[in-house]
Amino acid sequence: NAGVTQTPKFRVLKTGQSMTLLCAQDMNHEYMYWYRQDPGMGLRLIHYSVGEGTTAKGEVPDGYNVSRLKKQNFLLGLESAAPSQTSVYFCASFETGELFFGEGSRLTVL
Amino acid sequence: GENVEQHPSTLSVQEGDSAVIKCTYSDSASNYFPWYKQELGKRPQLIIDIRSNVGEKKDQRIAVTLNKTAKHFSLHITETQPEDSAVYFCAASNRADGLTFGKGTHLIIQP
Repeated sequence: NAGVTQTPKFRVLKTGQSMTLLCAQDMNHEYMYWYRQDPGMGLRLIHYSVGEGTTAKGEVPDGYNVSRLKKQNFLLGLESAAPSQTSVYFCASFETGELFFGEGSRLTVL
Repeated sequence: GENVEQHPSTLSVQEGDSAVIKCTYSDSASNYFPWYKQELGKRPQLIIDIRSNVGEKKDQRIAVTLNKTAKHFSLHITETQPEDSAVYFCAASNRADGLTFGKGTHLIIQP
């Protein structure tokens, strides 16, 4: 089992560009999450999904969109990137109380 | 929504001493309290957790205590070792809409 896999791991964008982060899990988990991690701010929830075809907003959803068309995939989109979205993004899936994190995706917006 | 406060933000201890990190939460309905360890450049990993029907849980050198009345929980690491150096996050949850994390504690083990 690969667990939770995120792509890409690194990306540099210019302000206004768009991109999609892909999260894939092979553990058949229903719940999936996208967090962002910034220095001194901990992990903040962007969006989450409790099953295929469902999405919901977390603590900091503005500027992001998500889709869960397949149970194993959870996509995070930035339609028009801003420097404030420079961060490390973690995807996670949830099972019986434990969050399983991906390796993280470092995004820089210039 | 839930709000989790974590202290201290940085903790430096001598190797072999104990370390204690404290968290408070706001939502009395929260019933699950995990602790995650994140080494530099790596993903957070679960090290121990506690549920609201238990007051204390131990796993070798680490332990977590929970006081539901006061709405606080703590992580205790005894006989600290260099490999304990990392950022530690507490979290709280009562439902499926994700864990709410504290801002983290950078634990430094001095040789």
